[in-house]
Amino acid sequence: ETGVTQTPRHLVMGMTNKKSLKCEQHLGHNAMYWYKQSAKKPLELMFVYSLEERVENNSVPSRFSPECPNSSHLFLHLHTLQPEDSALYLCASSQGGRPSGANVLTFGAGSRLTVL
Amino acid sequence: AQKITQTQPGMFVQEKEAVTLDCTYDTSDQSYGLFWYKQPSSGEMIFLIYQGSYDEQNATEGRYSLNFQKARKSANLVISASQLGDSAMYFCAMRPPNNAGNMLTFGGGTRLMVKP
Repeated sequence: ETGVTQTPRHLVMGMTNKKSLKCEQHLGHNAMYWYKQSAKKPLELMFVYSLEERVENNSVPSRFSPECPNSSHLFLHLHTLQPEDSALYLCASSQGGRPSGANVLTFGAGSRLTVL
Repeated sequence: AQKITQTQPGMFVQEKEAVTLDCTYDTSDQSYGLFWYKQPSSGEMIFLIYQGSYDEQNATEGRYSLNFQKARKSANLVISASQLGDSAMYFCAMRPPNNAGNMLTFGGGTRLMVKP
């Protein structure tokens, strides 16, 4: 496996379910990110982890709970979601610390979530 | 706060012709980075090109070039010799200078459709 892998690619859940999205990177990066991409809206940064510590929580509702057990894995735990949470959730990774030059984010293919 | 504006929701271009995708940004920072990403229908965000605010020359990467006009706060993407595989969403993004992670702010995107 190379790059950034996200599972599952598609998820349908009811409002009372609990599910998790998983992200794994094989690039040796030490920072990981969750972005939300809704229809007709720009990508929204949700969470950032650098060296396994959360450095950004962009006013995300508590029904989204991130977890970063190590620098290669990132989870997004979902519970009691709303239909408006239906979106494409993109995971990304990069080198952490102070960014410089073309220190790019490498993205996964996303997990498309539908909340019924 | 940074803001990225992409005024073209959708564009058509004839195969083998060049096309320019517009991006303007708003920031009070002097040091920043500008990025373009491509998102095909598969969902993955693919890094295309980077321009640093202090770079004196416009960035180029193969068929991609960035027309950087700092005084106008614009960073337009030029794709030369369009190919059918270039049909996708294109996002402009900015990285501010001082943050703990490599966090990007994205524009709303432009959908490019290449006609055979």
